[in-house]
Amino acid sequence: NAGVMQNPRHLVRRRGQEARLRCSPMKGHSHVYWYRQLPEEGLKFMVYLQKENIIDESGMPKERFSAEFPKEGPSILRIQQVVRGDSAAYFCASSPWRAYEQYFGPGTRLTVT
Amino acid sequence: KQEVTQIPAALSVPEGENLVLNCSFTDSAIYNLQWFRQDPGKGLTSLLLIQSSQREQTSGRLNASLDKSSGRSTLYIAASQPGDSATYLCAGGMNRDDKIIFGKGTRLHILP
Repeated sequence: NAGVMQNPRHLVRRRGQEARLRCSPMKGHSHVYWYRQLPEEGLKFMVYLQKENIIDESGMPKERFSAEFPKEGPSILRIQQVVRGDSAAYFCASSPWRAYEQYFGPGTRLTVT
Repeated sequence: KQEVTQIPAALSVPEGENLVLNCSFTDSAIYNLQWFRQDPGKGLTSLLLIQSSQREQTSGRLNASLDKSSGRSTLYIAASQPGDSATYLCAGGMNRDDKIIFGKGTRLHILP
Protein backbone atom coordinates (compact mmCIF):
# COMPACT_ATOMS: atom_id res chain seq x y z
CA ASN A 1 0.00 0.00 0.00
CA ALA A 2 1.74 3.12 -1.22
CA GLY A 3 1.86 6.06 1.13
CA VAL A 4 0.52 9.53 0.50
CA MET A 5 1.97 10.85 -2.72
CA GLN A 6 2.53 14.47 -3.58
CA ASN A 7 3.73 15.99 -6.80
CA PRO A 8 5.62 17.81 -7.83
CA ARG A 9 8.16 17.60 -5.02
CA HIS A 10 9.65 20.94 -6.01
CA LEU A 11 7.90 23.71 -7.91
CA VAL A 12 9.28 27.03 -9.03
CA ARG A 13 6.92 29.76 -10.16
CA ARG A 14 7.39 33.39 -11.08
CA ARG A 15 5.29 36.00 -9.33
CA GLY A 16 1.83 36.14 -10.85
CA GLN A 17 1.78 32.57 -12.15
CA GLU A 18 -0.46 29.79 -10.90
CA ALA A 19 0.74 26.87 -8.79
CA ARG A 20 -1.03 23.51 -8.71
CA LEU A 21 -0.08 21.03 -6.05
CA ARG A 22 -1.36 17.46 -6.18
CA CYS A 23 -1.98 14.96 -3.43
CA SER A 24 -2.94 11.32 -3.85
CA PRO A 25 -4.13 9.89 -0.54
CA MET A 26 -3.40 6.41 0.66
CA LYS A 27 -5.62 3.73 -0.81
CA GLY A 28 -8.93 3.62 1.00
CA HIS A 29 -8.52 7.07 2.56
CA SER A 30 -11.27 9.54 1.79
CA HIS A 31 -10.15 12.37 4.09
CA VAL A 32 -7.45 14.79 2.95
CA TYR A 33 -5.79 17.63 4.84
CA TRP A 34 -3.44 20.31 3.61
CA TYR A 35 -0.85 22.04 5.81
CA ARG A 36 1.66 24.77 5.06
CA GLN A 37 5.08 25.24 6.61
CA LEU A 38 6.51 28.69 6.12
CA PRO A 39 10.27 29.17 6.58
CA GLU A 40 11.15 29.06 10.28
CA GLU A 41 7.50 28.47 11.17
CA GLY A 42 5.54 25.48 12.34
CA LEU A 43 3.08 23.59 10.19
CA LYS A 44 -0.30 25.28 9.98
CA PHE A 45 -3.59 23.70 8.98
CA MET A 46 -5.09 25.01 5.77
CA VAL A 47 -8.04 22.89 4.67
CA TYR A 48 -9.81 19.58 5.28
CA LEU A 49 -11.65 17.84 2.45
CA GLN A 50 -13.60 14.69 1.88
CA LYS A 51 -14.48 13.42 -1.56
CA GLU A 52 -16.19 16.29 -3.41
CA ASN A 53 -16.66 18.31 -0.20
CA ILE A 54 -14.73 20.97 1.66
CA ILE A 55 -15.28 20.30 5.34
CA ASP A 56 -13.14 23.00 6.93
CA GLU A 57 -11.23 25.73 5.13
CA SER A 58 -10.67 27.96 8.11
CA GLY A 59 -6.90 27.98 7.56
CA MET A 60 -6.98 29.00 3.93
CA PRO A 61 -6.02 32.54 2.97
CA LYS A 62 -9.12 34.39 1.85
CA GLU A 63 -7.89 35.11 -1.65
CA ARG A 64 -5.99 33.25 -4.38
CA PHE A 65 -6.07 29.85 -2.64
CA SER A 66 -8.51 27.05 -3.41
CA ALA A 67 -8.66 23.31 -2.90
CA GLU A 68 -10.65 20.44 -4.29
CA PHE A 69 -10.89 16.69 -3.89
CA PRO A 70 -12.88 15.33 -6.80
CA LYS A 71 -14.65 12.01 -6.93
CA GLU A 72 -11.88 10.69 -9.16
CA GLY A 73 -8.27 11.73 -9.04
CA PRO A 74 -6.00 13.51 -6.60
CA SER A 75 -6.73 16.46 -4.35
CA ILE A 76 -5.51 19.73 -5.81
CA LEU A 77 -4.34 22.82 -3.95
CA ARG A 78 -4.36 25.77 -6.33
CA ILE A 79 -2.65 29.07 -5.71
CA GLN A 80 -3.40 31.79 -8.21
CA GLN A 81 -1.16 34.80 -8.89
CA VAL A 82 1.56 33.57 -6.55
CA VAL A 83 3.60 36.03 -4.51
CA ARG A 84 6.95 35.57 -2.79
CA GLY A 85 5.22 35.08 0.55
CA ASP A 86 3.65 31.88 -0.80
CA SER A 87 7.08 30.22 -0.86
CA ALA A 88 6.77 27.36 1.61
CA ALA A 89 6.52 23.61 1.98
CA TYR A 90 2.99 22.32 1.48
CA PHE A 91 2.15 19.00 3.08
CA CYS A 92 -0.82 16.79 2.44
CA ALA A 93 -2.12 14.17 4.86
CA SER A 94 -4.83 11.56 4.56
CA SER A 95 -6.83 9.40 6.92
CA PRO A 96 -9.44 6.65 6.51
CA TRP A 97 -11.98 8.41 8.74
CA ARG A 98 -12.43 11.39 11.03
CA ALA A 99 -10.52 11.81 14.27
CA TYR A 100 -7.95 9.24 13.27
CA GLU A 101 -4.23 9.23 12.63
CA GLN A 102 -3.22 11.33 9.66
CA TYR A 103 -0.51 10.04 7.32
CA PHE A 104 1.67 12.67 5.74
CA GLY A 105 3.12 12.93 2.26
CA PRO A 106 6.66 14.12 1.50
CA GLY A 107 5.54 17.65 0.73
CA THR A 108 5.83 20.04 -2.19
CA ARG A 109 8.33 22.84 -1.85
CA LEU A 110 7.12 25.91 -3.68
CA THR A 111 9.56 28.66 -4.53
CA VAL A 112 8.27 31.90 -5.98
CA THR A 113 10.87 33.99 -7.79
CA LYS B 1 -7.92 27.95 20.74
CA GLN B 2 -5.40 25.16 20.96
CA GLU B 3 -1.77 26.14 21.28
CA VAL B 4 1.09 23.65 21.27
CA THR B 5 4.40 24.77 22.74
CA GLN B 6 7.68 22.95 22.56
CA ILE B 7 10.56 23.64 24.89
CA PRO B 8 13.42 24.03 24.31
CA ALA B 9 13.48 25.41 20.78
CA ALA B 10 16.97 23.99 20.28
CA LEU B 11 19.08 21.50 22.17
CA SER B 12 22.63 20.20 21.81
CA VAL B 13 23.78 17.18 23.78
CA PRO B 14 26.79 14.87 23.60
CA GLU B 15 26.35 11.50 21.97
CA GLY B 16 25.23 8.76 24.33
CA GLU B 17 23.19 10.94 26.67
CA ASN B 18 19.54 10.38 27.42
CA LEU B 19 17.33 13.39 26.77
CA VAL B 20 13.77 14.62 27.12
CA LEU B 21 11.86 16.89 24.77
CA ASN B 22 8.84 18.68 26.16
CA CYS B 23 5.51 19.57 24.64
CA SER B 24 2.59 21.35 26.27
CA PHE B 25 -0.90 22.03 24.96
CA THR B 26 -3.63 24.33 26.20
CA ASP B 27 -6.75 22.36 25.21
CA SER B 28 -7.10 18.83 26.58
CA ALA B 29 -9.78 17.93 23.99
CA ILE B 30 -7.38 15.96 21.83
CA TYR B 31 -7.97 12.52 20.35
CA ASN B 32 -4.28 11.78 19.91
CA LEU B 33 -0.83 13.23 20.36
CA GLN B 34 1.85 12.53 17.80
CA TRP B 35 5.59 13.04 17.65
CA PHE B 36 7.25 13.55 14.29
CA ARG B 37 10.80 13.87 13.10
CA GLN B 38 11.73 16.27 10.30
CA ASP B 39 15.16 16.40 8.69
CA PRO B 40 16.20 19.64 6.95
CA GLY B 41 14.30 20.13 3.71
CA LYS B 42 12.49 16.83 4.13
CA GLY B 43 9.04 15.58 5.00
CA LEU B 44 7.61 14.33 8.27
CA THR B 45 8.42 10.94 9.75
CA SER B 46 5.90 9.76 12.32
CA LEU B 47 7.69 8.46 15.40
CA LEU B 48 5.03 7.72 17.97
CA LEU B 49 1.27 8.16 18.25
CA ILE B 50 -0.48 8.18 21.61
CA GLN B 51 -4.25 7.86 21.65
CA SER B 52 -6.05 10.02 24.20
CA SER B 53 -6.89 6.93 26.28
CA GLN B 54 -3.23 5.90 26.49
CA ARG B 55 -0.47 7.26 28.69
CA GLU B 56 2.62 6.27 26.75
CA GLN B 57 4.05 4.55 23.71
CA THR B 58 7.48 3.07 23.10
CA SER B 59 9.46 2.32 19.97
CA GLY B 60 13.06 1.25 20.29
CA ARG B 61 15.01 3.99 22.05
CA LEU B 62 12.01 6.33 22.01
CA ASN B 63 9.32 6.67 24.63
CA ALA B 64 6.52 9.21 24.53
CA SER B 65 4.17 9.99 27.37
CA LEU B 66 0.89 11.86 27.51
CA ASP B 67 -0.76 13.54 30.48
CA LYS B 68 -3.98 15.16 29.30
CA SER B 69 -4.86 16.55 32.72
CA SER B 70 -1.71 18.65 32.84
CA GLY B 71 -1.57 19.26 29.10
CA ARG B 72 1.87 17.77 28.69
CA SER B 73 3.71 15.24 26.59
CA THR B 74 7.34 14.25 26.65
CA LEU B 75 9.56 12.42 24.19
CA TYR B 76 12.37 10.52 25.81
CA ILE B 77 15.34 9.49 23.67
CA ALA B 78 17.72 7.00 25.21
CA ALA B 79 21.40 6.69 24.32
CA SER B 80 21.32 9.47 21.75
CA GLN B 81 23.21 9.07 18.47
CA PRO B 82 24.38 11.62 15.87
CA GLY B 83 21.73 10.23 13.52
CA ASP B 84 19.07 11.47 15.93
CA SER B 85 19.91 15.05 14.95
CA ALA B 86 16.75 16.55 13.45
CA THR B 87 13.79 18.72 14.34
CA TYR B 88 11.18 16.98 16.49
CA LEU B 89 7.59 18.11 16.18
CA CYS B 90 4.77 17.53 18.62
CA ALA B 91 1.21 17.65 17.28
CA GLY B 92 -2.24 17.25 18.82
CA GLY B 93 -5.27 15.99 16.92
CA MET B 94 -8.31 18.00 17.98
CA ASN B 95 -11.64 16.38 18.81
CA ARG B 96 -13.88 19.11 17.57
CA ASP B 97 -12.55 19.72 14.11
CA ASP B 98 -10.00 17.05 13.14
CA LYS B 99 -7.19 19.54 12.75
CA ILE B 100 -3.70 18.67 13.85
CA ILE B 101 -2.12 21.53 15.74
CA PHE B 102 1.66 21.51 15.56
CA GLY B 103 4.27 22.95 17.84
CA LYS B 104 7.18 24.81 16.28
CA GLY B 105 9.55 21.98 17.07
CA THR B 106 12.76 21.36 18.95
CA ARG B 107 15.95 21.35 16.84
CA LEU B 108 18.11 18.60 18.29
CA HIS B 109 21.83 18.34 17.61
CA ILE B 110 23.73 15.34 18.92
CA LEU B 111 27.43 16.07 19.24
CA PRO B 112 29.69 13.19 18.14
